[in-house]
Amino acid sequence: DGGITQSPKYLFRKEGQNVTLSCEQNLNHDAMYWYRQDPGQGLRLIYYSQIVNDFQKGDIAEGYSVSREKKESFPLTVTSAQKNPTAFYLCASSPQASNQPQHFGDGTRLSIL
Amino acid sequence: DQQVKQNSPSLSVQEGRISILNCDYTNSMFDYFLWYKKYPAEGPTFLISISSIKDKNEDGRFTVFLNKSAKHLSLHIVPSQPGDSAVYFCAASYTGGGNKLTFGTGTQLKVEL
Repeated sequence: DGGITQSPKYLFRKEGQNVTLSCEQNLNHDAMYWYRQDPGQGLRLIYYSQIVNDFQKGDIAEGYSVSREKKESFPLTVTSAQKNPTAFYLCASSPQASNQPQHFGDGTRLSIL
Repeated sequence: DQQVKQNSPSLSVQEGRISILNCDYTNSMFDYFLWYKKYPAEGPTFLISISSIKDKNEDGRFTVFLNKSAKHLSLHIVPSQPGDSAVYFCAASYTGGGNKLTFGTGTQLKVEL
């Protein structure tokens, strides 16, 4: 089945550590996105990529980094510079064209030990 | 600055009745609007969308209405079913904006028996 796979579902980080969240899609979509959701808030855009080897900062990129070496994959690294990393992280993809719905994975819950 | 607003954090409706979820936006550049449904610990699922050239779009039990002059859209669910109980997010994007979505904060719908 086509879809978006995020792993792991739950992740724990120690203070000062970098952690990487995986996102893989087999929908043949050009564009991929990372969002963060905090309790009682909507989804906020961290980074997005419209094509392989290119990505742009979203609204809350500080303390995060990404890469897009393959069309299918868009990993997100939460660095030690991110002071409040505890959140639910969602990856999405869409065709590159405008006005297309994004399709989401099931998310990764990151917590600080 | 919250460009997409869902002012009702929660809504309770009886099974079989109509559910109406509301969303307001401030950015006049938005020309594509979407509704997503989200269960706890899962990713959002796309429900229905509408382009700014239309004022209504219908898909089964779901209808979205757009009032551009008021910068307001609403999602109608008729008839409401217990399985509709979830958080509903309104989102918007604009042509040329890289298909980036701006989300509202969500409305928790509870459909009671």
